[in-house]
Parts: sequence; structure tokens; C-alpha cells
Amino acid sequence: QKEVEQDPGPLSVPEGAIVSLNCTYSNSAFQYFMWYRQYSRKGPELLMYTYSSGNKEDGRFTAQVDKSSKYISLFIRDSQPSDSATYLCAIKGAGKSTFGDGTTLTVKP
Amino acid sequence: GAVVSQHPSWVICKSGTSVKIECRSLDFQATTMFWYRQFPKKSLMLMATSNEGSKATYEQGVEKDKFLINHASLTLSTLTVTSAHPEDSSFYICSAITGGPNYEQYFGPGTRLTVT
Repeated sequence: QKEVEQDPGPLSVPEGAIVSLNCTYSNSAFQYFMWYRQYSRKGPELLMYTYSSGNKEDGRFTAQVDKSSKYISLFIRDSQPSDSATYLCAIKGAGKSTFGDGTTLTVKP
Repeated sequence: GAVVSQHPSWVICKSGTSVKIECRSLDFQATTMFWYRQFPKKSLMLMATSNEGSKATYEQGVEKDKFLINHASLTLSTLTVTSAHPEDSSFYICSAITGGPNYEQYFGPGTRLTVT
């Protein structure tokens, strides 16, 4: 079993939709939770970073962590075509970061 | 956020030649840098962890004699692909971490290597 499992996608939504991206993890030692966005042929860029259960908002993006269920989510409100990218969850703990396989999102105008 | 650069952004080389890729942390010192390989529509595969002033730690299955990593300073790590083969064609991404227990990880823009 992988340490981090990410909903594989791909996802295709109309502009303005709410998008939910999800990951589960198995190791309760993981303490920090990140979401990265990667455009085609580019390196990943850090979107959100949190370490506690609950919600963290940044503009149209909300990162949600449920440590009891070992479940993390990224919500995108009012999605835009520019949000079309691959989203990677990453979970850090015990001195290492482990990445999900990524979910490719396409937002259609 | 912090900036990590890579050079070159893309390179084409012939089989049997060697290629060097540079990774620089531009506005912070990075004692640790990572090198990843990414295949199309796949996630990041960690190749090695590079610590300044010491030998890199390679992941299982990665040939250290083929992928030479040097971390000569706190802002520069290099990956040299030696005796390149077409199957080495891939997207190589480096990343660097800031210091402290709450470190953050920043990625370079990647280098696309094509071996002909």
C-alpha cells in the first residue's frame, strides 16, 4: 500500500465549478500537508501548506485536513481555465516528503 | 516564496555523451536539495538527496555512477547524466528546502532531457 493515495482523475469541470481534490495517507507520523500545482512542462509550485486539522483558506483555495481520518482535500471555488493543471498532494513527516501521483484538472471555459 | 532555478531548461544530446544540469537556490541557502525524475503523466520519482559537502544519498534502483550529483555549495547542486541513453530522456526536477523544522520545499522549473 502506498503511503499517500491520491484520487487519480482526470477531472474536467466547467468554468465556475467547485473542484474537490483528495488524498489519503497511512502514516499518522505525517505532520505537514501541502498541495502543489504543476503546469505542463513546469516544476511544481507550492500552493498551500498546513499542519493542523481543519481548514485553511487562501483566496479561492481551501485546504482541509482531517487527521483522524488521515484525509486531506483541496477545494477550488469559482474555478478558472487558468486552474487547469496537475495538482499534487504531499505529506511530510519523519524527515521526508511523500507525494501523491497527482490529479489532472481541466477547467473548460 | 523562495526561488529555485535550473539550467538548462531543455537539452538534446546524443547517446553516449554526458549532460550536466544545474540547480540553484537564488534567495536562500539550501543544505539539502533533491533530484526528481518525472515521466509523462506520472508523479515525481525521487532519485537522490543531496547534502552540501557530503555524498548524495541515492534511492533504491538509481545508478549512482550514471547520475552523478555534486552539492558543492549551499546554493548549487548539479546532476550529471553520464553516457546518456535514449531511455534517460525525461523531465528532471530539482528542489531545495529551507532550514529549520518547519522547512518548506521549493521546486525548480525542471529540465527536459532528450537523448537521441
